[in-house]
Amino acid sequence: GAGVSQSPSNKVTEKGKDVELRCDPISGHTALYWYRQSLGQGLEFLIYFQGNSAPDKSGLPSDRFSAERTGGSVSTLTIQRTQQEDSAVYLCASSSNAGQGTEAFFGQGTRLTVV
Amino acid sequence: GENVEQHPSTLSVQEGDSAVIKCTYSDSASNYFPWYKQELGKGPQLIIDIRSNVGEKKDQRIAVTLNKTAKHFSLHITETQPEDSAVYFCAASRGNAGKSTFGDGTTLTVKP
Repeated sequence: GAGVSQSPSNKVTEKGKDVELRCDPISGHTALYWYRQSLGQGLEFLIYFQGNSAPDKSGLPSDRFSAERTGGSVSTLTIQRTQQEDSAVYLCASSSNAGQGTEAFFGQGTRLTVV
Repeated sequence: GENVEQHPSTLSVQEGDSAVIKCTYSDSASNYFPWYKQELGKGPQLIIDIRSNVGEKKDQRIAVTLNKTAKHFSLHITETQPEDSAVYFCAASRGNAGKSTFGDGTTLTVKP
């Protein structure tokens, strides 16, 4: 595709349910990142994948959050037992590599609302 | 870890005026400083970036300056236009563009 694609664009879920958010990076991009953006705030780094290396999970806020990247392409962010404070826009980005100054391209995000 | 502070949180200017947004960072090992523009309902888009071996970079109406000693960097937009209205984010990283620490954003409004 032309850019980073995320689905769904909006998701409303009940507290306690699990949700899965999907990210399709730009074809050929080896690096993929997940961020969380709460209302009126900056982006909070969650997790980063680079090729076949072990992911950098240093930003995950709790063990309810996990992510995987299958075949070095599509990634899924899973939030288990959702809480109201998980409500935010979840943004995915990809870059051709993780080298210095390589531009990261962002998707439009998934707006998650936990009711 | 890195901490990035961004000011002001909101900025309103008249069309044609200049706008300046300032950021400070805490990690002296940070060496890459991108700026993003985010329009409503969209993801952030890179507009300009600067590396630590450069003090200033310009791209048409947009310029960024970096003072490594003071650990601060700024975005300058000249001859502002209504389409410049958006939220602007600064960020800092240790060379990995995608793993950055972001400021809280500046909402820029350009009045026609």
